[in-house]
Amino acid sequence: EVQLVESGGGLVQPGGSLKLSCAASGFTFSGSGMHWVRQASGKGLEWVGRIRNKANNYATAYAASVRGRFTISRDDSKNTAHLQMNSLKTEDTAVYYCTRSILGDAFDIWGQGTMVTVSS
Amino acid sequence: QSALTQPPSASGSPGQSVTISCTGTSSDVGGYYNYVSWYQQHPGKAPKLMIYEVTKRPSGVPDRFSGSKSGNTASLTVSGLQAEDEGDYYCGSYAGSNNVFGTGTKVTVL
Repeated sequence: EVQLVESGGGLVQPGGSLKLSCAASGFTFSGSGMHWVRQASGKGLEWVGRIRNKANNYATAYAASVRGRFTISRDDSKNTAHLQMNSLKTEDTAVYYCTRSILGDAFDIWGQGTMVTVSS
Repeated sequence: QSALTQPPSASGSPGQSVTISCTGTSSDVGGYYNYVSWYQQHPGKAPKLMIYEVTKRPSGVPDRFSGSKSGNTASLTVSGLQAEDEGDYYCGSYAGSNNVFGTGTKVTVL
């Protein structure tokens, strides 16, 4: 079965750190670009960042709102992507989804999402 | 990178058609690449890809869903509306080194 499963969400204080993981199965993870997308409660989708595959030098890119605080990495041997979040702010509170990109940078496989709450 | 602009809501009766617009700039929707996609999201669920590369439908998506683009504006048309089409719809676009989503449109089937 093709799927993505996120984990690592939870409650963290402002200024704290959290690392999310995204476990892939059922498709060739190493050949895929992986992205993170977040959605605050009652709000729209916000692209967070991405990591390309090895053929594209594992290139990363980030939204301006998280650049310098968030880092995306991947371990192709474990079919897993990660989102390291540092210096967290209350406005980072959201459900975080990992997703795979296909032709045209469209996102065809999504995880179920993991909730991150930044609050004191 | 600013969010793409979508109307907040759209509606139609069963069997009718509804069209949702998605307006960006020459740096994203109107850019060199035809990399516009559309997603359907039901409450509490992850988004689902409905259209990619402006007009292409993934396997399993009904042909009632179609996409188009003119200049900096892309559109999603849902023909023959059905009750299960009710939900939130988001456009997305490649924007050079990053990606951007639309503001979202809530579609109501009357």
